[in-house]
Amino acid sequence: QSVLTQPPSVSAAPGQKVTISCSGSSSNIGNNYVSWYQQLPGTAPKLLIYDNSMRPSGIPDRFSGSKSGTSATLDITGLQTGDEADYFCGAWESSLSTVIFGGGTKLTVL
Amino acid sequence: QVQLQESGPGLVKPSQTLSLTCTVSGDYITGGYYYWSWIRQPPGKGLDWIGYISYSGSTYYNPSLDSRVTVSVDGSKNQFSLKLTSVTAADTAVYYCVRETYDYKSGSYSKYFDPWGQGTLVTVSS
Repeated sequence: QSVLTQPPSVSAAPGQKVTISCSGSSSNIGNNYVSWYQQLPGTAPKLLIYDNSMRPSGIPDRFSGSKSGTSATLDITGLQTGDEADYFCGAWESSLSTVIFGGGTKLTVL
Repeated sequence: QVQLQESGPGLVKPSQTLSLTCTVSGDYITGGYYYWSWIRQPPGKGLDWIGYISYSGSTYYNPSLDSRVTVSVDGSKNQFSLKLTSVTAADTAVYYCVRETYDYKSGSYSKYFDPWGQGTLVTVSS
């Protein structure tokens, strides 16, 4: 059940910036922390952002996250062809008492 | 660094039980602080959180799967396992074991997953 809504796809040219949105409600994003994951083709997801805007060690500062109200955003600057991947957001859903994820956004670097 | 590796049958018959094991290296499952979870991803689809076992052995499952799921731990082998009963084709997915960080702060839940195992595809078919 994808209670978090993401655009199916986004695209941009190398070197440009792209924004991926994740829309939810007060029972998930509105009152809990958001995380973001990158899934390169054929590999497992990898944590990019946690607690809305924190980067784990080793994640370049080209990746940044933010949250406002019931929506979250992942920004990727200085796009590289190696950034082509699926990106997922996730959060705790208080009404269902479970973790939920967005349906994923496929990033194409033209 | 912490690494997780799934193992188990890649093919399960309908109505039978899916069993997977995750071997952890670089960290101790019973060492404290983290939860140890399973997440699955049907082919071409999104992520579905199954549940966790904590360092103390307590468990919590996705309510949508609760009646069919059991997660257990073998501390002596530093492994944790997943059992999913009465499987159907809808349970066909790549299954990942992951380390889960949990916190409750300022009235909000923080849950995130890192690192992930490489994943194992389980197909339910006769």
